[in-house]
Amino acid sequence: DAGVIQSPRHEVTEMGQEVTLRCKPISGHNSLFWYRQTMMRGLELLIYFNNNVPIDDSGMPEDRFSAKMPNASFSTLKIQPSEPRDSAVYFCASSSNRDSTNEKLFFGSGTQLSVL
Amino acid sequence: KQEVTQIPAALSVPEGENLVLNCSFTDSAIYNLQWFRQDPGKGLTSLLLIQSSQREQTSGRLNASLDKSSGRSTLYIAASQPGDSATYLCAVPTGANNLFFGTGTRLTVIP
Repeated sequence: DAGVIQSPRHEVTEMGQEVTLRCKPISGHNSLFWYRQTMMRGLELLIYFNNNVPIDDSGMPEDRFSAKMPNASFSTLKIQPSEPRDSAVYFCASSSNRDSTNEKLFFGSGTQLSVL
Repeated sequence: KQEVTQIPAALSVPEGENLVLNCSFTDSAIYNLQWFRQDPGKGLTSLLLIQSSQREQTSGRLNASLDKSSGRSTLYIAASQPGDSATYLCAVPTGANNLFFGTGTRLTVIP
């Protein structure tokens, strides 16, 4: 298996622009997570899907952030409009169980986002 | 509120040494703890998951222990190699669907 695939690897954009991050989870996994990693705050869960349904989006910082999972093999995280403070590494992860905390999480390589 | 602390933040050791990484958590009401490895520019790789009913887990040269009563976990790496250089993070559950990560220990193994 190719693992969790994220694109793009790097994204540089200007403030105010729309940014879309993409994720393909491991085939057969039914749970998908979006995390954000910064030096100041470490790793933070943004949103969690189970069987393509958003279960917990309490970590989504603002209305500027939205996430979708139209099918079991694809998810997007959109920021509109982007701001410099959104600069971070965004990770997608998947697991084969509803409860990620009892199953190992598999992470993608992340998208390094820089908003100028 | 759960707090997860990893000390030291960075560690350098010569190749071949055995080493211990530490993880402390304030809320001992956890049902497991995971150790992850993160290489620069890459995502996290789950190394070991210890259930609360277990005291330790082993995988190759890695051994992780869990002491809930004291709020501590350790990751022991035997016979360290340059390829072990990475950031190691521990994580504990906060609810059913989230993991709370420590800030990590950046390990450098010097050839």
